[in-house]
Amino acid sequence: DTEVTQTPKHLVMGMTNKKSLKCEQHMGHRAMYWYKQKAKKPPELMFVYSYEKLSINESVPSRFSPECPNSSLLNLHLHALQPEDSALYLCASTWDSRGTEAFFGQGTRLTVV
Amino acid sequence: GEDVEQSLFLSVREGDSSVINCTYTDSSSTYLYWYKQEPGAGLQLLTYIFSNMDMKQDQRLTVLLNKKDKHLSLRIADTQTGDSAIYFCAENRDDKIIFGKGTRLHILP
Repeated sequence: DTEVTQTPKHLVMGMTNKKSLKCEQHMGHRAMYWYKQKAKKPPELMFVYSYEKLSINESVPSRFSPECPNSSLLNLHLHALQPEDSALYLCASTWDSRGTEAFFGQGTRLTVV
Repeated sequence: GEDVEQSLFLSVREGDSSVINCTYTDSSSTYLYWYKQEPGAGLQLLTYIFSNMDMKQDQRLTVLLNKKDKHLSLRIADTQTGDSAIYFCAENRDDKIIFGKGTRLHILP
């Protein structure tokens, strides 16, 4: 099983809403990542978790709050987002943060209205 | 430079080989990746190569790595219409996976 599963696939939220994105993998990977991808652009790194601890935060605004409840699960909590935060949010995992195969999920298409 | 560089567009006739080139930034990068992204979809890992290798072949895909020039290429043999997509080169640098801007592969009939 080389699958990274993201839910929901699509999400529409208002600027005052609170919502969460979920990512799950069962490959025993110990590094998990959140990326943001705008249309016609490459993915941009937001956060890296290594062994369930936040190891990298790419100066992401605090309205995005990551959480890693266990080694298989990664959440991204969203609050008070702006329309410019609308994008495809991608989760990835690797054996550890130094690399090996890095698998991505299908993403959550987020629209902020 | 700081960026992973790729040409933005490649047009190839069906049945020919496609070669997508990439220049990465850090000679100490351990793993280098090629991803395929179709419209509206996530990233599909096509192949990856460890930095102590200079070539890797997997069915129609051949990856060549020139560490001295920090140059990576992906060759797709017998290109098919289903290969039409954006191809991203990426490197693992400082525990981050950093992407190039992507090459859009267009298949001519």
